This record gives sequence, C-alpha cells and structure tokens, in this order.
Amino acid sequence: AQSVTQPDIHITVSEGASLELRCNYSYGATPYLFWYVQSPGQGLQLLLKYFSGDTLVQGIKGFEAEFKRSQSSFNLRKPSVHWSDAAEYFCAVGAAGGSYIPTFGRGTSLIVHP
Amino acid sequence: IAGITQAPTSQILAAGRRMTLRCTQDMRHNAMYWYRQDLGLGLRLIHYSNTAGTTGKGEVPDGYSVSRANTDDFPLTLASAVPSQTSVYFCASSDSGGEQFFGPGTRLTVL
Repeated sequence: AQSVTQPDIHITVSEGASLELRCNYSYGATPYLFWYVQSPGQGLQLLLKYFSGDTLVQGIKGFEAEFKRSQSSFNLRKPSVHWSDAAEYFCAVGAAGGSYIPTFGRGTSLIVHP
Repeated sequence: IAGITQAPTSQILAAGRRMTLRCTQDMRHNAMYWYRQDLGLGLRLIHYSNTAGTTGKGEVPDGYSVSRANTDDFPLTLASAVPSQTSVYFCASSDSGGEQFFGPGTRLTVL
C-alpha cells in the first residue's frame, strides 16, 4: 500500500530564509508525486508535480522539489521565503490512470516570522 | 462556473438530520473525490468516483454515501448526521495526469 510521511508538523522560518519541507513516500512502482499548498480557509492548490524525467522539478511561486528514489523522498524547497508563503503544505503520492487514488501526507504548517 | 464549486459554504446541522453537500465541476474530469479535513489528521478520503456511474469507498466511508449520475456532479450525503462528522469537506476532481483540483470546501458543524 502506498503511504506518505511528512515528519514535520510545524516549521517556523524567518522571512528571507531558505526552506525545506520533507516528504517520504512508500510506493510499489515509480510514483507520481505532488506538492499542494493550502492557504487559510481555502482549498488546496498544486505547487508542482513529478511524473518522470528530470528529478528536480520547478513549480509555481518559486518552489522546487527534488525526487530522490534512493531515499524515497520528494522534499520541497524555496531559497527565500516570503510572509505570504505561510500556509499548510501537503505532499501526495499516486499514479495516473483510471484507478488513480492519491494518498496525502498529514501536512506541514509553515509559519513565517517577519 | 470555473473549476469546482461546492455548496453550501458552511452549515450548522442538528444531529440526526440528513444533509447533502453539493459538488460540481466544469472541467469534464472523469475522476472525482470527497475528502474530510480535520486538525492533525490531514485529508482523508471518504468516497471517490473514477467515472460517471461508478463509485468507490475511501478511507473513512461510514455514514456517507455518494452518487455519480453524470460527469459534472458528485454529491455527498450524510443520511443521519452525527457530531463526529463535524469537519471541513473538500471535493476534488482529477485529469488523466493525476493532478487534483480542489473546491473551496464546506465547513459543516453537527450539534
């Protein structure tokens, strides 16, 4: 069965500092991996996704993530955090196709100090 | 309509009452999903539908039912609401590439 672990429930950073949010997955085949962001009171929005090819994926809002098969990880990074990045971040794993059922991690709450 | 809409935005419901949460998408996606989001538990899948006319159970289906009569609509029904169903409910759809598109959510309180 597929699973996703986000080890950090909360992360606090100062504005302008770099950010890395961790995501580890368990999946029997080559996974499709996603990062979503949820601002307070909103639904989830896709930040980026990995299907195949280049293991470093660029997303919206200056985010990137790197797929490391050997470590079963898909960590999200941003070189300089802005106050507007404060939100809940979810990692998800799954596969495309007619029976696609994604699995989400429990989320990491990002707090940004001025 | 653009993307996914959910109704109502919020609702307070007496225990034992029946309630249907509505979800409509205009992207012609085959797959649709219902999740509940509770503090500390992330998103949990309630039911899903891979295509019109078919549905499946997710992680927490008890007390909920769904139908998928057409591609656009995927209502979620609570036959007899209980306080443990107090939550924020999100509907989503996905294309063949796996990306999910989420609605704005329905905040439900069962007293």
